[in-house]
Amino acid sequence: GIQVEQSPPDLILQEGANSTLRCNFSDSVNNLQWFHQNPWGQLINLFYIPSGTKQNGRLSATTVATERYSLLYISSSQTTDSGVYFCAVGSNDYKLSFGAGTTVTVRA
Amino acid sequence: KAGVTQTPRYLIKTRGQQVTLSCSPISGHRSVSWYQQTPGQGLQFLFEYFSETQRNKGNFPGRFSGRQFSNSRSEMNVSTLELGDSALYLCASSLGAGVSDTQYFGPGTRLTVL
Repeated sequence: GIQVEQSPPDLILQEGANSTLRCNFSDSVNNLQWFHQNPWGQLINLFYIPSGTKQNGRLSATTVATERYSLLYISSSQTTDSGVYFCAVGSNDYKLSFGAGTTVTVRA
Repeated sequence: KAGVTQTPRYLIKTRGQQVTLSCSPISGHRSVSWYQQTPGQGLQFLFEYFSETQRNKGNFPGRFSGRQFSNSRSEMNVSTLELGDSALYLCASSLGAGVSDTQYFGPGTRLTVL
């Protein structure tokens, strides 16, 4: 199956700082999603981005499919941004393969 | 539009028992997928259903099974529970027309096996 690697595993930020999370994947994909897992465990959709660039408020994402990586940018971080961020990819098999996640802690 | 719903939200069972979890997809979605999340293994794919047919199955023992009904609601069953089955079980739904649909997740069922 497709291997997904996320880095860094942990990230500690001061409120107001910017950060970049990275997702590398081992094969071509036709589905790539970024999620934020809230403290109760629910995965919240951030982006569906198999290629290109998207922005949503302080968050943006870029996927370079030909080079098999995606980046999630968090700007002007807030304490509510804390949590685990997952990258998940899919190919032609009706499933998502998840990375191990990046745990983000934003300190006031 | 209501999101994906899962019941029950929390469950405590003992080893050897069986359990059934339920998932209702977003209205109009015909694909339902199940995932298991544990601290050691992370998020792992269990199976996916579309129009009552299983299209893919993950690498789990036969004790894990699922089904989908004509209204797209899905259930998964785990028989002969083991301590290692303690996990957060997440259900996702999508339109299902293609292989690259956006997946929307429910709040999960947290299963504890004693």
